[in-house]
Amino acid sequence: KAGVTQTPRYLIKTRGQQVTLSCSPISGHRSVSWYQQTPGQGLQFLFEYFSETQRNKGNFPGRFSGRQFSNSRSEMNVSTLELGDSALYLCASSQDRAGANVLTFGAGSRLTVL
Amino acid sequence: GENVEQHPSTLSVQEGDSAVIKCTYSDSASNYFPWYKQELGKRPQLIIDIRSNVGEKKDQRIAVTLNKTAKHFSLHITETQPEDSAVYFCAAYFNKFYFGSGTKLNVKP
Repeated sequence: KAGVTQTPRYLIKTRGQQVTLSCSPISGHRSVSWYQQTPGQGLQFLFEYFSETQRNKGNFPGRFSGRQFSNSRSEMNVSTLELGDSALYLCASSQDRAGANVLTFGAGSRLTVL
Repeated sequence: GENVEQHPSTLSVQEGDSAVIKCTYSDSASNYFPWYKQELGKRPQLIIDIRSNVGEKKDQRIAVTLNKTAKHFSLHITETQPEDSAVYFCAAYFNKFYFGSGTKLNVKP
């Protein structure tokens, strides 16, 4: 069974640009959640999608958005990038709603904003 | 909202010793408490979890205890090995996951 796949793995952007990250969950998993990981901050919850609906959202500005497609693949978008957006963005999938089942993480997309 | 505090931030032990990492949470409605291990440059991986209706769970050298009254839960690793060296994150779940800030465990051979 393939794991959670995130693309791209590494990317460099400049301030003001926008970026789209992709996450393909484990086959059969309907929930995808996104997290931002920065040194010393641990993992900060961004949002969770379940059956194409945003189920929950963390405390991030509106520049951060996401969506989920009918095949459960998810994308997150960050517009008007700031230096502070440099981080590892992790997605995780679970069979059912996050919290009801174990989260399985992808390898992450490392974003550097210059 | 929920707040999860994790201590210590770094922990250094000798191989064969035990390691204990503690987390406290604020929302009594939290009902699921997983622990993740993240090796350098790798993805977080679940090592053990516990639900609020259970007080303790063990898996070989790893155990987790939960005290709902005091709102804290702990990870215990016995007979530590160098391959246990990693960053460990606790989390609490109520509608969404709230993670602790991580503990860097160094097991010295």
